[in-house]
Amino acid sequence: KAGVTQTPRYLIKTRGQQVTLSCSPISGHRSVSWYQQTPGQGLQFLFEYFSETQRNKGNFPGRFSGRQFSNSRSEMNVSTLELGDSALYLCASSYAGGSDEQFFGPGTRLTVL
Amino acid sequence: SQQGEEDPQALSIQEGENATMNCSYKTSINNLQWYRQNSGRGLVHLILIRSNEREKHSGRLRVTLDTSKKSSSLLITASRAADTASYFCAPIGRGGANSKLTFGKGITLSVRP
Repeated sequence: KAGVTQTPRYLIKTRGQQVTLSCSPISGHRSVSWYQQTPGQGLQFLFEYFSETQRNKGNFPGRFSGRQFSNSRSEMNVSTLELGDSALYLCASSYAGGSDEQFFGPGTRLTVL
Repeated sequence: SQQGEEDPQALSIQEGENATMNCSYKTSINNLQWYRQNSGRGLVHLILIRSNEREKHSGRLRVTLDTSKKSSSLLITASRAADTASYFCAPIGRGGANSKLTFGKGITLSVRP
């Protein structure tokens, strides 16, 4: 089975722009979660999508949004980028989410200048 | 959701030695998971131990769980340079589908050749 893939792997944007990141889960997995990792804050949960519905949400401003398509692929969007949004964005998939083992993608490294 | 607190924050050992990492949490759990992250990459699931299990093995990994003390330990035996990574524990609560992985700061393990 192919693993979780994320595109792009690296991205450079400037303040005020918006960005869309993509995540393709493992085939058959219906849950996709997104995480932000920074040196200062560590790994923080953004949100989880299951069967095209947002099921869980972390404590991030409304500039961070996401969606999931019928094939379980997910996108995450950040609008009006700030310098502090520079981070490694990780997505993880699992069959049903919740307490299941999560399979992580390699991440997208976003740099905001 | 709850976050695990890993201890120590950093650990440096010689190749061939054993590495013991600890995790504490606050409320009752469904299971507890350990993950590894190599520098700048996605997390890799190592092992899941359920609340009714006390010990679990996987290759050179041994995980124990003490629900009375709300703590878990990850032991890596006969460590190798390739074990150099950050290690995270994720205690999963009993929220069913609403449960989610929440990570602490992790433990940075350095294995010297």
